[in-house]
Amino acid sequence: AQKVTQAQTEISVVEKEDVTLDCVYETRDTTYYLFWYKQPPSGELVFLIRRNSFDEQNEISGRYSWNFQKSTSSFNFTITASQVVDSAVYFCAIHTDKLIFGTGTRLQVFP
Amino acid sequence: DTGVSQDPRHKITKRGQNVTFRCDPISEHNRLYWYRQTLGQGPEFLTYFQNEAQLEKSRLLSDRFSAERPKGSFSTLEIQRTEQGDSAMYLCASSKSESSNNEQFFGPGTRLTVL
Repeated sequence: AQKVTQAQTEISVVEKEDVTLDCVYETRDTTYYLFWYKQPPSGELVFLIRRNSFDEQNEISGRYSWNFQKSTSSFNFTITASQVVDSAVYFCAIHTDKLIFGTGTRLQVFP
Repeated sequence: DTGVSQDPRHKITKRGQNVTFRCDPISEHNRLYWYRQTLGQGPEFLTYFQNEAQLEKSRLLSDRFSAERPKGSFSTLEIQRTEQGDSAMYLCASSKSESSNNEQFFGPGTRLTVL
């Protein structure tokens, strides 16, 4: 069975600070995908990033970057120079044949 | 707009009533998923379809819940004899193929309140 743990329930930062959201996952599958989704107050889940289990190369996409470490089963997500519009709940998820989500981290960015 | 749509967006019902939700996936997507999200939690998988075939159902999907996708296009989720514990956001998502690298596109959800 798959499981995703997001230990941080809520994070508050001031605009322009960098913030890292933690994610730890469990799976017995060797092939899987990891995702980060954003859920703003409007409620719709917005896809942010995806990484497959065979590619541990960390990347940067705009203000987003991620650190995938298979050895520690972690898939952390960083927002650089946070903005007020980044305020939302962020979900980490693992996908084999369906998505299993963590409980989310609420990020509040204050001006 | 060619995204995933759900109807209604909000539903308030009395305990014991039946409710039905509809999801229209992105047209070329053959997989359709239903999730439930309660306050303060992440979405939880309920069931999914590959075309018209229902391939998996979660233990969360009690006998009062039934989902259909009769023609492999839109899907309906019915809850019979609603209970207050059914109050949640019901999310639908679709994806293009069975390959796990394809992201699921989510609809806006149907928020159910059972009084």
